[in-house]
Amino acid sequence: DVKVTQSSRYLVKRTGEKVFLECVQDMDHENMFWYRQDPGLGLRLIYFSYDVKMKEKGDIPEGYSVSREKKERFSLILESASTNQTSMYLCASSTAPYGYTFGSGTRLTVV
Amino acid sequence: QKEVEQDPGPLSVPEGAIVSLNCTYSNSAFQYFMWYRQYSRKGPELLMYTYSSGNKEDGRFTAQVDKSSKYISLFIRDSQPSDSATYLCAMRVGSNYKLTFGKGTLLTVNP
Repeated sequence: DVKVTQSSRYLVKRTGEKVFLECVQDMDHENMFWYRQDPGLGLRLIYFSYDVKMKEKGDIPEGYSVSREKKERFSLILESASTNQTSMYLCASSTAPYGYTFGSGTRLTVV
Repeated sequence: QKEVEQDPGPLSVPEGAIVSLNCTYSNSAFQYFMWYRQYSRKGPELLMYTYSSGNKEDGRFTAQVDKSSKYISLFIRDSQPSDSATYLCAMRVGSNYKLTFGKGTLLTVNP
């Protein structure tokens, strides 16, 4: 009964590497989101997409990019990973007017 | 002033207690209100979804919205150790698919 799938639960990458985080949803939702979650800071929106090939910056887009070539898939790219990007990354999808369905998250450590 | 304020806790209660979790908000345009539950190392899951003021009940959970005071609450009756999690409030303007989240309250229910 998995509806939003994130490709990795745990990931360790080196500083300067290009990192791809993949997210797939099987609910035919139009909207997809990438958040990071850090202690004391809560959920912060990185990027979102309301349609295929469409994307909009969230609150903290610096150092990230996204790709949405197909409706069901939304990828987050860290162009050159840095230690301050160590975090829990959460993907979500939604269809208005309802709430989000989240994936299980990817805990990324950059060393 | 942040759009959504939520006391981070932590909140520790004995099993069987009634728990009250709260959020205040400043944007009077918010129309849809949600509560998410997030277990450790997992993504948030939608618990309650309400529109407009009033109460909504689902088993041991009651969501309450007071738009005049810009205040929402989640009550948990007969709390169980399995309710131990972080609870996040979320809200959105009617026509907007983006959610605004509180930072979450960490709840521990002790057996």
